[in-house]
Amino acid sequence: EAQVTQNPRYLITVTGKKLTVTCSQNMNHEYMSWYRQDPGLGLRQIYYSMNVEVTDKGDVPEGYKVSRKEKRNFPLILESPSPNQTSLYFCASSRTGGASYEQFFGPGTRLTVL
Amino acid sequence: GNSVTQMEGPVTLSEEAFLTINCTYTATGYPSLFWYVQYPGEGLQLLLKATKADDKGSNKGFEATYRKETTSFHLEKGSVQVSDSAVYFCALTNNAGNMLTFGGGTRLMVKP
Repeated sequence: EAQVTQNPRYLITVTGKKLTVTCSQNMNHEYMSWYRQDPGLGLRQIYYSMNVEVTDKGDVPEGYKVSRKEKRNFPLILESPSPNQTSLYFCASSRTGGASYEQFFGPGTRLTVL
Repeated sequence: GNSVTQMEGPVTLSEEAFLTINCTYTATGYPSLFWYVQYPGEGLQLLLKATKADDKGSNKGFEATYRKETTSFHLEKGSVQVSDSAVYFCALTNNAGNMLTFGGGTRLMVKP
């Protein structure tokens, strides 16, 4: 089944404790992206990757890191999480051409930073 | 920068009622426009898209027309069902096609 998977689905952590949210897709998509969803703000793009070893900042990259060493994986790293990073996070992927094509979304990761 | 404005919800309708969710945008150039839908507890799914002015996207009875003169992409459905209850997001790409900007989302609740 074609899908985007994220882990963990739920995470409660404390300020300053490094964490990684994994994202994997099995559709051989070149484009991958991370978003955060906050009430009333919709989804905001954090980082995106057009291909392996190619990443770029979205609208709200502060406090986040990403890497794209393999085509299928695009982990989101919070080196020192803060309470304002409490949010619902979505990973998405699409084929060549990036955001202009249908993006397939993962189920989401709900992160709470205390 | 680009921005998308959607009507605030929730929108509450009875089954078989007509639906309109307004979406207007600010962008340079010729963005592609999208409607994504999010069912409870799930990720977003593409509902429909339009890539140039006057294009009409349609899917599952939903329609939206790319109106460049009014910078709008309103979502419509002639007869909603309870199963249409979800959050609907309007979105657009930047000129390079590598970033997506979303509106704030509109929650639709359909009562039997």
